[in-house]
Amino acid sequence: EVQLVESGGGLIQPGGSLRLSCAASGFIVSSNYMSWVRQAPGKGLEWVSVIYSGGSTYYADSVKGRFTISRDNPKNTLYLQMNSLRAEDTAVYYCARVLNTVTDLDSWGQGTLVTVSS
Amino acid sequence: QTVVTQEPSLTVSPGGTVTLTCASSTGVVTSGYYPNWFQQKPGQAPRALIYSTSNKHSWTPARFSGSLLGGKAALTLSGVQPEDEAEYYCLLYYGGAPNWVFGGGTKLTVL
Repeated sequence: EVQLVESGGGLIQPGGSLRLSCAASGFIVSSNYMSWVRQAPGKGLEWVSVIYSGGSTYYADSVKGRFTISRDNPKNTLYLQMNSLRAEDTAVYYCARVLNTVTDLDSWGQGTLVTVSS
Repeated sequence: QTVVTQEPSLTVSPGGTVTLTCASSTGVVTSGYYPNWFQQKPGQAPRALIYSTSNKHSWTPARFSGSLLGGKAALTLSGVQPEDEAEYYCLLYYGGAPNWVFGGGTKLTVL
C-alpha cells in the first residue's frame, strides 16, 4: 500500500527556516517524480516544487531561491527545505507522488501545517 | 503569469449531470497540458480522479469522465451523488520551464 506521511510543520517566525519531511512506504521515492503542493487556509491548491527521478528539480516562482526539494534514498524520504519564510508561505504542505504522467499526482500525504507569524 | 480558470461554484441536483471546465490564459488547452482533475472534501487531502485528459484511476467512479471541450479541459459528472459535493481542482502542465498550475477550484454543491 502506498503511503506518504509528512512531518516538520509548525509555527515559525518570518525570516526563519523549516524542513519538511515526507516519509514514503509502498514504493521507491527515487524511482518516481515527487512533488510538493501547498494550500493556504481557505484557499486553493498551489504547486510548489517537483523532483524528477533523474534528480532535476523545479520550483514555482513564488518559492524559487528560498525552497529546496531533495530526497534521501536510503530513508525513502522526500524533503522540502524552506528558508527566508514569509507570512504568505503559511499553508498546509502536501507531498505527492507523480505516477502515470507529469500531472498525475496519484497519491498524497495528509499534509503538515506551516504557520509563519511573529 | 499563467492563470488557470475554473468556475468558482456550480450547483447540481442529485442524479443530474454537470460539467466543470478548466481554461488556460495562454490559449487552447490540449492534451499536451496533461489536464488532471482532483477532488477535495473539507479537512481531507486532494484525491486524484482523472489524469492526462480522460484517464481514470482504479478508484475513480464511472460517473466521472474527462475530456477536451471548446478549447478547455472538462470534467463531467453524470448521475451526480450527494457524496460528490466537494471542491474540484484541475492541474495543467506547462513545458519549457517547466511549470505546473492549478486552477482556482470549483465548489460543487449537490442540492
